[in-house]
Amino acid sequence: RKEVEQDPGPFNVPEGATVAFNCTYSNSASQSFFWYRQDCRKEPKLLMSVYSSGNEDGRFTAQLNRASQYISLLIRDSKLSDSATYLCVVNIGNNQGGKLIFGQGTELSVKP
Amino acid sequence: GAVVSQHPSRVICKSGTSVKIECRSLDFQATTMFWYRQFPKQSLMLMATSNEGSKATYEQGVEKDKFLINHASLTLSTLTVTSAHPEDSSFYICSARDRDTLNYGYTFGSGTRLTVV
Repeated sequence: RKEVEQDPGPFNVPEGATVAFNCTYSNSASQSFFWYRQDCRKEPKLLMSVYSSGNEDGRFTAQLNRASQYISLLIRDSKLSDSATYLCVVNIGNNQGGKLIFGQGTELSVKP
Repeated sequence: GAVVSQHPSRVICKSGTSVKIECRSLDFQATTMFWYRQFPKQSLMLMATSNEGSKATYEQGVEKDKFLINHASLTLSTLTVTSAHPEDSSFYICSARDRDTLNYGYTFGSGTRLTVV
């Protein structure tokens, strides 16, 4: 079983749609959680951290459920510029010795 | 903000030769650097973790004699792909963790696209 699993995608949605991505992780020792965005042939960039209390950044809302080891990302009012691959990322280990493990990514394509 | 410079961005080499990729933290000290590999349509796979001044820790299935990692200073780590073969063609990305940032300050390089012909 992969350590971090995501919806396979791709997601093709019209502009303005709301889209949700799901992710599960297997290592209960995971310490922190993130969503990254990766554009084609570029390095991944941090979109947002994910907290148990849930957090929102503009049109993006992330949620973490530690009990079920589940992470989600909701994008509201999607824009053409949101088209990218979204990577669910888990930090396994503590602050000093942790490492980032990436999910396989979910491709999003927003159409006019 | 923190910047990691990775070079070269693109390299084409002949089968059997070695290629060195550099990852440099420009404005912070990176105690730990990570090397990832990404094949088309796949996610980033962690290859190894390197701590300044000590041997790298390789993930299962990654050959340490083929992928040589050196982290001689707090600002520079190198990955050398030795005796490269076409199956080593991939996108290699480094990431550095800022020693002075408590909140998981990971910064990524811009990646190196390696093509072995």
